[in-house]
Amino acid sequence: QVTLKESGPGILQPSQTLSLTCTFSGFSLSTYGMGVGWIRQPSGKGLEWLANIWWDDDKYYNPSLKNRLTISKDTSNNQAFLKITNVDTADTATYYCARILFVNWFAYWGQGTLVTVSS
Amino acid sequence: DVVLTQTPSTLSATIGQSVSISCRSSQSLLDSAGNTYLYWYLQRPGQSPQLLIYLVSNLGSGVPNRFSGSGSGTDFTLKISGVEAEDLGVYYCMQATHAPNTFGAGTKLELK
Repeated sequence: QVTLKESGPGILQPSQTLSLTCTFSGFSLSTYGMGVGWIRQPSGKGLEWLANIWWDDDKYYNPSLKNRLTISKDTSNNQAFLKITNVDTADTATYYCARILFVNWFAYWGQGTLVTVSS
Repeated sequence: DVVLTQTPSTLSATIGQSVSISCRSSQSLLDSAGNTYLYWYLQRPGQSPQLLIYLVSNLGSGVPNRFSGSGSGTDFTLKISGVEAEDLGVYYCMQATHAPNTFGAGTKLELK
């Protein structure tokens, strides 16, 4: 059974660094063709893709967030991570992680974690 | 970036009615290997999105066969043949052919 669960700080202040963790089970990020992506959704709005990391450690980022994103993984502990530097109120959103397997993009999602940026 | 335009933005339907949602891309989503990375997701109220359709027309695992996807190039359609109450929510198309991945703005399906 595939499950994913996001965790984060809940609330942080502008200019701080947001650190998110995706803890998953039922698959391994060392399996050929496997990947994990991060997607966010401001309240009442649409979905925005942020980044993917693949089994071979290939990484892809949304250029709209310029150089603020860093994605990484800990294969032995079944976790993926996303850091967003220099946050502001526009980064307030629910953040999801989701699994990719070959062409099956985001077939499994976590429940999401709400992050609020406020001074 | 590829822009995906979904129409309509809101769709009112009765139970049992068949409905269609359009997703038009600003560029062809056919890649050089002959794959078209167009996906459909449903987000029910208060829930995470779930995959309905992958690669234009392939049903996701456990997805009822009243859902179907079609299209090619820049024009794609999701059809629900006989809406059920559990189908209410927001439908999103997504493309993964061109970086960065992009989502459509969503189509809200509500009861008439």
